[in-house]
Amino acid sequence: RKEVEQDPGPFNVPEGATVAFNCTYSNSASQSFFWYRQDCRKEPKLLMSVYSSGNEDGRFTAQLNRASQYISLLIRDSKLSDSATYLCVVNRDPEKLTFGTGTRLTIIP
Amino acid sequence: GAVVSQHPSWVICKSGTSVKIECRSLDFQATTMFWYRQFPKQSLMLMATSNEGSKATYEQGVEKDKFLINHASLTLSTLTVTSAHPEDSSFYICSAVWGGLGTQYFGPGTRLTVL
Repeated sequence: RKEVEQDPGPFNVPEGATVAFNCTYSNSASQSFFWYRQDCRKEPKLLMSVYSSGNEDGRFTAQLNRASQYISLLIRDSKLSDSATYLCVVNRDPEKLTFGTGTRLTIIP
Repeated sequence: GAVVSQHPSWVICKSGTSVKIECRSLDFQATTMFWYRQFPKQSLMLMATSNEGSKATYEQGVEKDKFLINHASLTLSTLTVTSAHPEDSSFYICSAVWGGLGTQYFGPGTRLTVL
């Protein structure tokens, strides 16, 4: 079983729609969780950290369910600029990160 | 914010040659840097942890004699791919740790193509 699993997609959604991604992780001892976004042929960029209580940053909402070991990302009112690959990232010790393979999202005009 | 640069951004080399990639933290000091590799349509895979002033620690399956890492200063780590082969063609990305929360900031990556 992979340490971090994501549906690779692609998700093709119309502009303005709401889209949600889920991710599961295998290591119950993981402490830190993140969503990164990666544009084609670019480096990953931190989108947001994910906290146990859930957190929101503008149109983006992240949730963590420790009992079920899954993390979610919700994007509301999607924009064309949201098209990217979204990487679910989990730490496996204080500094090392494990990346999921990513979910590809394309926003259609 | 924390800025990390990499040089070169892309390189094409012949099989058997060595290639050096530099990773610099431009506006902060990083005692720890990481090197990743990403093959097409795959996730980033951690290759090694680079610690300033000490030997790098490599992940399982990564040959330390093939991927030489030097972290000579708090702002520079280098990765040398020795005797490169076509299967080493990949996107190599470094990151540097900054801040008390240990957030990793990524360089823009180096695309290596070995002919």
